[in-house]
Amino acid sequence: QVHLQESGPGRVEASETLSLTCTLTGASAGTFHWGWIRQPPGRGLEWVASIDQYGAASYHPSLKSRVTVSADVSKSDNQFTLTLGAVTTADTAMYYCARGVFRGDPYDSWGPGTPVTVSS
Amino acid sequence: QSVLTQPPSVSAAPGQKVSISCSGSVSDIGDNSVSWYQQVPGTAPKLLIFENNKRPSGISDRFSGSKSGTSATLDISGLQTGDEADYYCGTWSFGLSDIYVFGSGTKVTVL
Repeated sequence: QVHLQESGPGRVEASETLSLTCTLTGASAGTFHWGWIRQPPGRGLEWVASIDQYGAASYHPSLKSRVTVSADVSKSDNQFTLTLGAVTTADTAMYYCARGVFRGDPYDSWGPGTPVTVSS
Repeated sequence: QSVLTQPPSVSAAPGQKVSISCSGSVSDIGDNSVSWYQQVPGTAPKLLIFENNKRPSGISDRFSGSKSGTSATLDISGLQTGDEADYYCGTWSFGLSDIYVFGSGTKVTVL
């Protein structure tokens, strides 16, 4: 059974770069398809990005210019990361990492989430 | 702004049935299977239905899903107080790039 745990700075200043890490237990980054999903306070879920077991990434069109997801799939790494540049207060949200097994699958395992506040 | 449209809220008394609709387009629901997620406030979402109508192990058969064309429906029968939560539909949209889209979310209230 796979477990996911997000970690991050908690608070970042506007215009800076946000980096989040998802640590995996029971799987390596090169075995499944992984995603990042966020949820602003009081609002719905928004898919941010995904990375497959070959290291190919996909991004939300509105974030594509600012976001990168990465994992070292060749080294059986147990982590993957999300980097979001030039953050604004609109990026304040709970950020979740999740497993999608293969491309085209839904997200069947989720981490508990890590809150991010962007301060102006 | 969500790509998939859901009603903001539905409600019913314990034991009753509620249905939640999810409306999309040819490029998302029309071409791919739909999943449903349950999110109890303060917790991470949980996969409830996948491939339109399949339940992961441990999910009650009171939850059922269906899909027709560019729309999908989640039914919850024998409503219980523990079912109070937000429910989201979701699906992939494959084109120039792969994108996952969520519905706007529906709050289920047990009266």
